[in-house]
Amino acid sequence: SSELTQDPAVSVALGQTVRITCQGDSLRRYYATWYQQKPGQAPVLVFYGQNNRPSGIPDRFSGSSSGNTASLTITGAQAEDEADYYCKSRDSNSNYGVFGGGTKLTVL
Amino acid sequence: EVQLVQSGAELKKPGESLKISCKASGYSFTNYWIGWVRQMSGKGLEWMGVIYPGDSDTRYSPSFQGQVTISVDKSITTAYLQWSSLKASDTAMYFCARPLTSAWSDGFDVWGQGTLVSVSS
Repeated sequence: SSELTQDPAVSVALGQTVRITCQGDSLRRYYATWYQQKPGQAPVLVFYGQNNRPSGIPDRFSGSSSGNTASLTITGAQAEDEADYYCKSRDSNSNYGVFGGGTKLTVL
Repeated sequence: EVQLVQSGAELKKPGESLKISCKASGYSFTNYWIGWVRQMSGKGLEWMGVIYPGDSDTRYSPSFQGQVTISVDKSITTAYLQWSSLKASDTAMYFCARPLTSAWSDGFDVWGQGTLVSVSS
């Protein structure tokens, strides 16, 4: 299956911890990559692989995976973390990629 | 500095053809895949396809196979996304992006600024 499912919207109080999840069969075989997108901007890679953050991404962003679910956790969410978040992986059986539907994160 | 610079916004009519570009610089162009991502207004990201400039090996999402063509010109380190006959439903922002490593499925760590394509009669 090529579908990746995300909750459409999640909210978190300033300074608290939030987990954004991504579900799909392909995640049993492949790691997800995570992107942050703010209005009018190109996406930014924030986490990838088993435990990798690109240079410049704050260490409050972390990722994990279990079974068919990948998660992006923001520990101590900041106002600037308010954005849309997308997971991406690849189809289990074919050579193409797929994005999740995205999660709109609101920081209260 | 690694950069992807995309061509400017386009306003086209249904049925017209179009080719948009993504100019790469700052790295070895033939050693990394380049992908294309669609984002319709107010909607999510959609993976369209990737191409390996070294040998033009191309992978398409089933949703876009046959609807668009991805190509490259190695001599000018540029990737292209083209349509032979546009539809109104092709109206969207299109991003090109490069993966972290030489693996096509790796995370896209470099993105172009996006090209807005508007198709209207």
